[in-house]
Amino acid sequence: TQLLEQSPQFLSIQEGENLTVYCNSSSVFSSLQWYRQEPGEGPVLLVTVVTGGEVKKLKRLTFQFGDARKDSSLHITAAQPGDTGLYLCAGERRGSEKLVFGKGTKLTVNP
Amino acid sequence: DAGVTQSPTHLIKTRGQHVTLRCSPISGHKSVSWYQQVLGQGPQFIFQYYEKEERGRGNFPDRFSARQFPNYSSELNVNALLLGDSALYLCASSQPGTRRVRAHEKLFFGSGTQLSVL
Repeated sequence: TQLLEQSPQFLSIQEGENLTVYCNSSSVFSSLQWYRQEPGEGPVLLVTVVTGGEVKKLKRLTFQFGDARKDSSLHITAAQPGDTGLYLCAGERRGSEKLVFGKGTKLTVNP
Repeated sequence: DAGVTQSPTHLIKTRGQHVTLRCSPISGHKSVSWYQQVLGQGPQFIFQYYEKEERGRGNFPDRFSARQFPNYSSELNVNALLLGDSALYLCASSQPGTRRVRAHEKLFFGSGTQLSVL
């Protein structure tokens, strides 16, 4: 059983469209991170959310941590081809030293 | 400043062989973590080291081992390779704010070593 479920698994959209990807769990996390990974590269951290209900914005990207700290979403406005990549969420559970990753959402933005 | 560097970038081995993967963290970072990423999956935590001590271990068999050197670089060793060990092995470094290493400290990943076991 996957601790963090990401949806959708694949997403292909046209440049300029908006999109939302989701990261859900039945477990509570003390923090949650979002990464973007491009082929042949390691994941690059985009944001860390720590407080339930927290919203963070990074240019056209908006990240939200659920009130119960069990889920998160990433919303991209006016997607661009440069946003193409694998978006991974990763959670930290209280008392654990390790990050647990979801399987990721593979996003393709077509020009 | 150089980022996290991993070597080799690609490696092909046969079943039963042994492999050593290497990682140099960002200068000044004292913590190194290793992750395995199988195609189509997210990274899975293998080990975390801080100040040369193991601080965390994931759900991997004893065939997997690691160590951290005085200069904070690290090696991941895998013995008796199986076909299922084929994956991208990622190293990440971080500079914890306190002695206790927290998972949400900002991780900087290397580009990984792509291991293929035939």
